[in-house]
Amino acid sequence: GENVEQHPSTLSVQEGDSAVIKCTYSDSASNYFPWYKQELGKGPQLIIDIRSNVGEKKDQRIAVTLNKTAKHFSLHITETQPEDSAVYFCAAPVYSGAGSYQLTFGKGTKLSVIP
Amino acid sequence: DGGITQSPKYLFRKEGQNVTLSCEQNLNHDAMYWYRQDPGQGLRLIYYSQIVNDFQKGDIAEGYSVSREKKESFPLTVTSAQKNPTAFYLCASSIYPTNTEAFFGQGTRLTVV
Repeated sequence: GENVEQHPSTLSVQEGDSAVIKCTYSDSASNYFPWYKQELGKGPQLIIDIRSNVGEKKDQRIAVTLNKTAKHFSLHITETQPEDSAVYFCAAPVYSGAGSYQLTFGKGTKLSVIP
Repeated sequence: DGGITQSPKYLFRKEGQNVTLSCEQNLNHDAMYWYRQDPGQGLRLIYYSQIVNDFQKGDIAEGYSVSREKKESFPLTVTSAQKNPTAFYLCASSIYPTNTEAFFGQGTRLTVV
């Protein structure tokens, strides 16, 4: 299976509601889990990340939770606004040989916030 | 301002021609990466470099080549051997090792005409 799986691929929510995007990973040695937001025609930008020594991290309306036992982590956006509409990517380091780890990305979630 | 710059933003190429995409960073990062993005496919790693004069193939390196002669620069050449080159190409950099934030450029959209 995929090293990093992301669900759902598309998500529509009403403005003000919450949005949750989930990712699973396969490499139990992964220790860094970032989330990126990509607006149309632009490069992805980091919005929040979490390391394996904590279970949750918040930054205003966004939060990330990590379950190392189950090997999954989630992005939570509360009080969604139209400007939250974008494609969101999760990522995790995956072993690529010769002692090297590379960030592997999920396939992305297109979030649409309906005014 | 520190950052990572890709040029050009849009690029058109005739079939059978090689084309080089530029990527420059002034963040003093050791590691640099090239990703390809197609609709519904996420970001797929083409090549990466962890240090000057060294680079490694990613998951989809066939039909591409890179060089890393300077820490600041990591150009990608899309060769005529790449069968389906039309895509959005993203360059990124990070502090080595890679369990830290990757900074992305604004991308180059390549279209084969």
